[in-house]
Amino acid sequence: TQLLEQSPQFLSIQEGENLTVYCNSSSVFSSLQWYRQEPGEGPVLLVTVVTGGEVKKLKRLTFQFGDARKDSSLHITAAQPGDTGLYLCAGVITGGYNKLIFGAGTRLAVHP
Amino acid sequence: NAGVMQNPRHLVRRRGQEARLRCSPMKGHSHVYWYRQLPEEGLKFMVYLQKENIIDESGMPKERFSAEFPKEGPSILRIQQVVRGDSAAYFCASSAGAAGTGELFFGEGSRLTVL
Repeated sequence: TQLLEQSPQFLSIQEGENLTVYCNSSSVFSSLQWYRQEPGEGPVLLVTVVTGGEVKKLKRLTFQFGDARKDSSLHITAAQPGDTGLYLCAGVITGGYNKLIFGAGTRLAVHP
Repeated sequence: NAGVMQNPRHLVRRRGQEARLRCSPMKGHSHVYWYRQLPEEGLKFMVYLQKENIIDESGMPKERFSAEFPKEGPSILRIQQVVRGDSAAYFCASSAGAAGTGELFFGEGSRLTVL
């Protein structure tokens, strides 16, 4: 059973398109992170969201944490080939220590 | 994530052999986490350690797998009598504290191939 459900699992788009990746759960998280992972490397932290309803922007990436802290989304505007990679959401269960629970990931391919 | 060092980066073992994976956390970090990643999947929690203590090993198989984080030296994930199903990427992460926003810093992983 996947505690964090990510969708879509795969996404193949053309350069310049917009996209949104979703991360959903029935559990409440005290915080949620988005990581990006390139082939052969470890995950690299993109952002942490903590407050319900929080929105954070990182250049062309917009991250949102749901009001109930059970879901999150990542929106990329005008995608570029350099955005290609595996995007992972991960959350810390409320009251827990830094034990991250990961989603299965969304594999994004942006074609020139 | 540049500060977490894992070695070896690649390890090939035959069935029945032992695999030892090492992780040196970022400087100043005393909390280490091990995750396993199968191809095309996310990361699965295995074990959480502090110096000389195993805090949570709920994700680690009961047999053949063990982990330690001694007072001196790196954390070690040990897999005895490896089987083909153990082939995966094993990632180590570290944090400065036990509780917080969950910001972990990951190493580049050790890729185990069991022949």
